[in-house]
Amino acid sequence: DAGVIQSPRHEVTEMGQEVTLRCKPISGHNSLFWYRQTMMRGLELLIYFNNNVPIDDSGMPEDRFSAKMPNASFSTLKIQPSEPRDSAVYFCASSLERDFQETQYFGPGTRLLVL
Amino acid sequence: KNEVEQSPQNLTAQEGEFITINCSYSVGISALHWLQQHPGGGIVSLFMLSSGKKKHGRLIATINIQEKHSSLHITASHPRDSAVYICAVRPDTASKLTFGTGTRLQVTL
Repeated sequence: DAGVIQSPRHEVTEMGQEVTLRCKPISGHNSLFWYRQTMMRGLELLIYFNNNVPIDDSGMPEDRFSAKMPNASFSTLKIQPSEPRDSAVYFCASSLERDFQETQYFGPGTRLLVL
Repeated sequence: KNEVEQSPQNLTAQEGEFITINCSYSVGISALHWLQQHPGGGIVSLFMLSSGKKKHGRLIATINIQEKHSSLHITASHPRDSAVYICAVRPDTASKLTFGTGTRLQVTL
C-alpha cells in the first residue's frame, strides 16, 4: 500500500487566495483526520470523518476553513480566503476506526506558506 | 496548564545510551499514543496504549493509568532515533486527541 497520500507537498500563495489541500487515505480505512501543525500551537485536530461523514469539526478555526470527503478515497481541506496566519503544515491521517483507539497513519503533510 | 505535559523538552544523548521520555496528563483517558516526527517532518505512529506495556524493537512504552503517566524508553540509542517524540491522549469525555508539545531528541555519535 502506498500509505496516505497528500498533495501538494508544498504550497506558497498570496493572502486572499483560495487554497485546496488533498488527501487520499489508505484503502480500507474508514476514518480520516485533518491536522494542523505550527510552532506555536503544535499539532491540532481540525476535523475528522467516519465513513465519509464529518463527525467533529470543532477544531476548524473559522468559516474560512471547510473540508469535504465525497468518497472513501478522497478528501479536501479548503481555505478561502487564505491569511498569513494559516501558514502551517497540514497533515492528513487515516485509521481503521474513528475513536482514536487505533493506530493512525499519517501522510507526509502539506507545507503551506501564505504571504 | 496543558492537559498533556512532556519532559524533557529537549534531550541530547550519546549513541548507546538508554533514553526515557515522560508524558503526564491531567484527565481520564481511554488511549495514549506515542508518535515520532522525523527531521524531515513525517509523522509515524509508534504505539497506542490503554494499559500496561508495549515493546517494538528497541522501543518500549509503558503507561500507569492511576498515576496518569506514560514513558517511552529507547534502548541502545542510535543517531537515527533523533526526532521529536510526541505524546497524545484520547480523553474519556471527548472523541479527540490532545497532543503534548513534544520532546526533541538528538543522539550523537
